[in-house]
Amino acid sequence: QVTLKESGPLLVKPTESLTLTCTVSGFSLNNPRLGVSWIRQSPGKALEWLAHIFSDDDKSYSTSLKTRLTISKDTSRSQVVLTMADVDPVDTGTYYCARITMFYYYMDVWGKGTTVTVSS
Amino acid sequence: SYVLTQPPSVSVAPGQTARITCGGNNIGSESVSWYQKKPGQAPMLVVYDDSDRASGIPGRFSGSNSGNTATLTISRVEAGDEGDYSCQVWDSSSDHVLFGGGTKLTVL
Repeated sequence: QVTLKESGPLLVKPTESLTLTCTVSGFSLNNPRLGVSWIRQSPGKALEWLAHIFSDDDKSYSTSLKTRLTISKDTSRSQVVLTMADVDPVDTGTYYCARITMFYYYMDVWGKGTTVTVSS
Repeated sequence: SYVLTQPPSVSVAPGQTARITCGGNNIGSESVSWYQKKPGQAPMLVVYDDSDRASGIPGRFSGSNSGNTATLTISRVEAGDEGDYSCQVWDSSSDHVLFGGGTKLTVL
């Protein structure tokens, strides 16, 4: 059974960094056809893709957030980590990680999400 | 940059057919995926590669894609189909994943 689980802080202060971890099971981060994406949804807003990473360490970032995001993976721990620098209240929302396939780039399994609030 | 346009809302009576569109420049040349999201739940893949149903998705859900419009069609709509539906493509030129703005399906 393929699962992904997000973890991270519930509350972050403005200007601080946010670190989210996605722990996967049921598939390997070494699989050349699979990767992990991060997506968020702010209250009342659409889904927003943030970044993805594949087994060969190929990474891609949202243009609007590129300067603030870093994605990495620890294959031995089956974890993908997303760090967002200099957070702002507009970064409040639910953050999801999802498995992405290299063919057609769709996300077939999603974590339940973790809700983050940015507030002083 | 590439933009995907969806109607904010679609309403349909139970048993009728709902059609949710996703507009984009020559989207017919892209591979489109559709996701369903219900309040308090994670998004769920419904259709990928334009018209392939994801595992466990009933046959009432179908997808098509041609020209500048991709369409998710839900036949014999049920109350449980209510939720937000989002289309998604991968922009190969930028290696970016793009989502549409989402459409709220209401079952009257």
